[in-house]
Amino acid sequence: NAGVTQTPKFQVLKTGQSMTLQCAQDMNHEYMSWYRQDPGMGLRLIHYSVGAGITDQGEVPNGYNVSRSTTEDFPLRLLSAAPSQTSVYFCASSSYGQTLMNTEAFFGQGTRLTVV
Amino acid sequence: GDSVTQMEGPVTLSEEAFLTINCTYTATGYPSLFWYVQYPGEGLQLLLKATKADDKGSNKGFEATYRKETTSFHLEKGSVQVSDSAVYFCALSKGPDSSYKLIFGSGTRLLVRP
Repeated sequence: NAGVTQTPKFQVLKTGQSMTLQCAQDMNHEYMSWYRQDPGMGLRLIHYSVGAGITDQGEVPNGYNVSRSTTEDFPLRLLSAAPSQTSVYFCASSSYGQTLMNTEAFFGQGTRLTVV
Repeated sequence: GDSVTQMEGPVTLSEEAFLTINCTYTATGYPSLFWYVQYPGEGLQLLLKATKADDKGSNKGFEATYRKETTSFHLEKGSVQVSDSAVYFCALSKGPDSSYKLIFGSGTRLLVRP
């Protein structure tokens, strides 16, 4: 039962560097999302996808890109890292719940990113 | 816009004490409400949920009742344990096609002392 797998768990970047945070799920969920967690602010939605080939912006999308070429994978790209992107990043997946009984979102263990 | 407000932490309790963590929401329509828990070094796990007014979610001794009249979903536990120490997040989603965009409160850290 892998669920949602994120890599890496920790990363330090220099300002201006680029990197990709990986996220994979094995539950055949249609929906996948990226959140960032900052102290005192809870989790905020960065980007989301409702299916392969479909992505959209969340609350805080600036500085991040995503793509969804397969149902399983949803990578998050930082094009030019900035100190303001220091945060803990969580990937989540979920499925459409016609009866509201299966609307639970499953989260990965997170990636702690520090930009210096 | 839609939002979730939680009581500020940290909340520090002795083992076997009664726990209440307050959560209120602002949303149009009929959102589903959730409590997620984050143990140290881990991701978020669903603790309980309620999908309509007056529903009570429960799990592991925790309970929360969806109160539409007061727009609240307070988390309670009658007797906390040291192992309950974690950060608790209240969240909402707007329907079965919105589980990809949960709206979270800021989180409440609970510390239970032996």
